[in-house]
Amino acid sequence: KAGVTQTPRYLIKTRGQQVTLSCSPISGHRSVSWYQQTPGQGLQFLFEYFSETQRNKGNFPGRFSGRQFSNSRSEMNVSTLELGDSALYLCASSLWGATNEKLFFGSGTQLSVL
Amino acid sequence: ELKVEQNPLFLSMQEGKNYTIYCNYSTTSDRLYWYRQDPGKSLESLFVLLSNGAVKQEGRLMASLDTKARLSTLHITAAVHDLSATYFCAVVPGNTDKLIFGTGTRLQVFP
Repeated sequence: KAGVTQTPRYLIKTRGQQVTLSCSPISGHRSVSWYQQTPGQGLQFLFEYFSETQRNKGNFPGRFSGRQFSNSRSEMNVSTLELGDSALYLCASSLWGATNEKLFFGSGTQLSVL
Repeated sequence: ELKVEQNPLFLSMQEGKNYTIYCNYSTTSDRLYWYRQDPGKSLESLFVLLSNGAVKQEGRLMASLDTKARLSTLHITAAVHDLSATYFCAVVPGNTDKLIFGTGTRLQVFP
């Protein structure tokens, strides 16, 4: 059974640009959640999607958005990039929900904003 | 504001020794998770604790949950080098449906 796949693995962008990250969950999983990991702030919850609907959102500005498609694949978009957006972005999938069961994490996308 | 604090933040221990990592959280929660992250890698689920008094063990690791004290422990028995990693606890606050991660404990096991 394939795991959670995130693409791309690495990204380098400049300030002001926008970026889209992709996450393919484990087959059959309907929940996809996203997390930002930085040395200073640790792991922070961004948002969760379930059956194409955003179910929960963390405390991030509106520049951070996401969506989920009918096949449960999810994308995350960050517009008007800032230096502080440099981070490892992790997505995780589960059958029913990010807070009801263990999560399966992807390898992450390392975003560097110059 | 919810706080999930782990201590210690860094732990260097000798192989064969025992130690405990603590996870304290500041609000009610009856669900707690432990994850492991190897350097440069993603997170791997270790334990899911869903009730007060829950205890789970796998190999040299044992996790427990005391919801009244708002405390979870991850006990390491007879550490081996392969346990070197960063360990995170994560809780779901009672009035939300969000997963909040702790600060992480970086464990290094040396011969």
